[in-house]
Amino acid sequence: EPEVTQTPSHQVTQMGQEVILRCVPISNHLYFYWYRQILGQKVEFLVSFYNNEISEKSEIFDDQFSVERPDGSNFTLKIRSTKLEDSAMYFCASSGLLSGANVLTFGAGSRLTVL
Amino acid sequence: ILNVEQSPQSLHVQEGDSTNFTCSFPSSNFYALHWYRWETAKSPEALFVMTLNGDEKKKGRISATLNTNEGYSYLYIKGSQPEDSATYLCALYSGNTPLVFGKGTRLSVIA
Repeated sequence: EPEVTQTPSHQVTQMGQEVILRCVPISNHLYFYWYRQILGQKVEFLVSFYNNEISEKSEIFDDQFSVERPDGSNFTLKIRSTKLEDSAMYFCASSGLLSGANVLTFGAGSRLTVL
Repeated sequence: ILNVEQSPQSLHVQEGDSTNFTCSFPSSNFYALHWYRWETAKSPEALFVMTLNGDEKKKGRISATLNTNEGYSYLYIKGSQPEDSATYLCALYSGNTPLVFGKGTRLSVIA
């Protein structure tokens, strides 16, 4: 069964460093998402991406964050200068359709720890 | 801001017990409700997408109901097994907005 893969599974970084989290969505999906979950809190939406551009982003997704689909298969989330509060599990997801009736297929997550 | 609430936050049951938990959501602008199962170190896995008031869906020993008038969905697990131990997430889709997730119910099934 097709799956969404994420790397790295865990990254530890120093505050102020740049981090890139990578995702390979399902190949025939068109909509891509990043969510995150801070320990003990809700899964929060960060950004959605369609047709090579951001379609929606949350308040969390400020200028320190960016996304890219550089080569038609990878979908990356970059945090330019990490802060302690960026420590979270970051999930990539993809879907074939925009409809809310269409499920998201999630990756297993990348745990980011900022020291 | 849409608020999706799940209860209880965590639950411990004995193997063989049946259990259920709740997802509450604003009933206005409802499009769809998703249920996902998230096992530790794995991807959240879609269980159900429910769109119609009164919907009942079933997948093996797991079933879900939906009441969009009063804004809740129940997830039931019949005869819980240790492999059912996971966090169960519900998420609301209200049209033109991303999915809004609840905090999840963490289920532990004790053998």
